[in-house]
Amino acid sequence: AQTVTQSQPEMSVQEAETVTLSCTYDTSESDYYLFWYKQPPSRQMILVIRQEAYKQQNATENRFSVNFQKAAKSFSLKISDSQLGDAAMYFCALWGNNAGNMLTFGGGTRLMVKP
Amino acid sequence: NAGVTQTPKFQVLKTGQSMTLQCAQDMNHEYMSWYRQDPGMGLRLIHYSVGAGITDQGEVPNGYNVSRSTTEDFPLRLLSAAPSQTSVYFCASSLLAGYNEQFFGPGTRLTVL
Repeated sequence: AQTVTQSQPEMSVQEAETVTLSCTYDTSESDYYLFWYKQPPSRQMILVIRQEAYKQQNATENRFSVNFQKAAKSFSLKISDSQLGDAAMYFCALWGNNAGNMLTFGGGTRLMVKP
Repeated sequence: NAGVTQTPKFQVLKTGQSMTLQCAQDMNHEYMSWYRQDPGMGLRLIHYSVGAGITDQGEVPNGYNVSRSTTEDFPLRLLSAAPSQTSVYFCASSLLAGYNEQFFGPGTRLTVL
């Protein structure tokens, strides 16, 4: 079985500052993918960033970047220059090649952005 | 493209009633899935399908049935609703598999009294 743990139920950040959301996972797979999804108050889930486990380079998407530590099974999301529109629930997710084609989500972190 | 659509947006049921949550996508995606979202538990996979005629169970399948007769549609049936099924339900689709970007519908908030 694969598991995803987000240990921070809530985080807050000042507008324009940087925040890091934590995610740890457990899998026996060697071939897997990790994701961060954002869910704003509208409830619409949106992909933020995707990392393939076999790639050493950390994925980046504009102000969003990850710190992928494969040996430690850690996958944190860094948001730079935080904006009010970044306020949302953030979910870490894991897909493993032999885990029955299922995507496993963590419990989520609620991010608040202070003006 | 409408993307992924779900109906209804809200529903209140009494214990023991049955209903079907509808999900459709117009992106010709092979992979479709149903999740439930409960506070503090993230999204949990109920059922998924890798193509028309093929379905499989996720983490929490009990009390739910699915079928996939076409590529576009993936309805979720609650056979006999229970209060424990009160949740927000999301349908998602992706090109081929779970490792592709998932496109989510707007969700259905279901309350079972």
